[in-house]
Amino acid sequence: DQQVKQNSPSLSVQEGRISILNCDYTNSMFDYFLWYKKYPAEGPTFLISISSIKDKNEDGRFTVFLNKSAKHLSLHIVPSQPGDSAVYFCAASGRSSGDKLTFGTGTRLAVRP
Amino acid sequence: GAVVSQHPSRVICKSGTSVKIECRSLDFQATTMFWYRQFPKQSLMLMATSNEGSKATYEQGVEKDKFLINHASLTLSTLTVTSAHPEDSSFYICSARVLLRAGKHYEQYFGPGTRLTVT
Repeated sequence: DQQVKQNSPSLSVQEGRISILNCDYTNSMFDYFLWYKKYPAEGPTFLISISSIKDKNEDGRFTVFLNKSAKHLSLHIVPSQPGDSAVYFCAASGRSSGDKLTFGTGTRLAVRP
Repeated sequence: GAVVSQHPSRVICKSGTSVKIECRSLDFQATTMFWYRQFPKQSLMLMATSNEGSKATYEQGVEKDKFLINHASLTLSTLTVTSAHPEDSSFYICSARVLLRAGKHYEQYFGPGTRLTVT
């Protein structure tokens, strides 16, 4: 049972344009959401997070939007840079699960120069 | 930021042998660490929660006698894959849980991972 889903396995974007990565979840007990960036054969690197009490959080080129009613979040990267090319995972956690992270399946982003 | 290291980064072992993977928090103390495994092109699957000074908590379907976890200090957790078989070949990643300064949520900082190949 995949509680966190990333329906797009891959995304290709032109350098300078916006990258939008999407994530859906089913567990209404999740109250904290995170995005991680991962290169092959490396551990994930934390990018940005959002609490369920907010609907937007921004950090430099990265913005995460949360739509609780739709159980949907998205990560916007603008402008996209070739160095952003990686696999992006969304993750969710909740107080009821002991803050354990449940990861999505990942989206591979390729930013074309 | 918080740094987590893993050793070794790659290991190849023969079927039937045991392999130990270390996870260290380098500049902070972590009472809780997590162990994940990732199959090619798949998500990270949580295997177990490692708590300093107590027994690990395993996720459903993970054999605790096969994947031994020891969290003997606030900076070190080890995962031992016992009697390894080719199907245990995977990418194993640990993380350390850190309480944010706001004190409301935890974040996890991940190690670089260990590629285990069982021949």
